[in-house]
Amino acid sequence: QVQLVESGGGLVKPGGSLRLSCAASGFTFTDYYMSWIRQAPGKGLEWLSYISSSGNTIYYAESVKGRFTISRDNAKNSLYLQMNSLRAEDTAVYYCARTPSDYFDLGNDYYYYNYMDVWGKGTTVTVSS
Amino acid sequence: DIQLTQSPSFLSASVGDRVTITCRASQGISSFLAWYQQKPGKAPNLLIYAASTLQSGVPSRFSGSGSGTEFTLTISSLQPEDFATYYCQHLNSYLTFGPGTKVDLK
Repeated sequence: QVQLVESGGGLVKPGGSLRLSCAASGFTFTDYYMSWIRQAPGKGLEWLSYISSSGNTIYYAESVKGRFTISRDNAKNSLYLQMNSLRAEDTAVYYCARTPSDYFDLGNDYYYYNYMDVWGKGTTVTVSS
Repeated sequence: DIQLTQSPSFLSASVGDRVTITCRASQGISSFLAWYQQKPGKAPNLLIYAASTLQSGVPSRFSGSGSGTEFTLTISSLQPEDFATYYCQHLNSYLTFGPGTKVDLK
């Protein structure tokens, strides 16, 4: 069955680094964009980043741009999030999600969009001294 | 950047009620909107994408409508398993989420 399993979370000191992984199975990984989303304790969802199937297109939320790096290894069916210069406010559950791409055909133009149809169970990152 | 707001933030309802949640965008976003349901301690679950397309396997009591800046998620007859928090999300470029609407038992 389609499955995403995150790993790599843990306790890290402020200023430290952590690399999260997301192992995908049950679908053709190279057919899909992939995303990272987080949720701080008691708070809402925060989209962080997504990467195209080839890795050529990447977007980041402003809150993590320059500190976090998304990547993927299609040969290993894996997604990664390298997190540097971690802060207390980065404490959260981190989810990876399969991110299908679709489009609207509005006459002469195509408008592409992405949504998240399969989510992992998440991995917890705690940033504390 | 596009900002999403949701109303209400909290909603108390009874089983069988018709429930409507609104999501407003700070500028027009065509139909680039999705809705998710999240239960405590669980990952979110996709309900609706492209404003009104029901995700496979989602009960037909859920529906979405709207375009431009105002969108609604409607649950036609609230079931016990529907008590949860609902989020809208912009679907183009920066995939921002709304702040959420918690639906609990009256």
